[in-house]
Amino acid sequence: GQNIDQPTEMTATEGAIVQINCTYQTSGFNGLFWYQQHAGEAPTFLSYNVLDGLEEKGRFSSFLSRSKGYSYLLLKELQMKDSASYLCAIMDSNYQLIWGAGTKLIIKP
Amino acid sequence: GAVVSQHPSWVICKSGTSVKIECRSLDFQATTMFWYRQFPKQSLMLMATSNEGSKATYEQGVEKDKFLINHASLTLSTLTVTSAHPEDSSFYICSARGGLTGDASPLHFGNGTRLTVT
Repeated sequence: GQNIDQPTEMTATEGAIVQINCTYQTSGFNGLFWYQQHAGEAPTFLSYNVLDGLEEKGRFSSFLSRSKGYSYLLLKELQMKDSASYLCAIMDSNYQLIWGAGTKLIIKP
Repeated sequence: GAVVSQHPSWVICKSGTSVKIECRSLDFQATTMFWYRQFPKQSLMLMATSNEGSKATYEQGVEKDKFLINHASLTLSTLTVTSAHPEDSSFYICSARGGLTGDASPLHFGNGTRLTVT
């Protein structure tokens, strides 16, 4: 079956660094996406990985290891506005997105 | 960047009435549009996938006669919730993907519609 696991909730301090992990088992792989979703709002696209390695985009970086079925989203210099849910999604062999349940990130001053 | 406009942002309707939600891609042609439902504190749940000019593909457990989807053009898809009931109250979100089918481009989301059925 298809399965995506990510922690339900994480807490971090403003200015610090946090890593949100995502492990997956899916039928085929055509890329991994990370989305940010603030409460009551639609998701917004953060990153896309299809090859192994690290993709850096400002304060956010995303890493992928296809052999391990593993990805992480790294957030640096945390700001209060980063408090949100972070969704990991896999595009399977049919180019359909399989969504993780999301990780609620709480930033404390 | 690619913009998807969803309307209305929120709607309150009485039980038994129908509600139409529009999703438009403003600056690109969306060959595929997706409709999601999200209950409070839960993840996105895909309801259906629609390709322009063809019938929508519904996920298991989603009633196609209740949730009517029309994707008549490359820039517009509509979701109509027919004979709405209080249990249909939810956050409905559309997303669009441009390019050819199978293109692994990111989804662009509308702002969502909060439906409350009284």
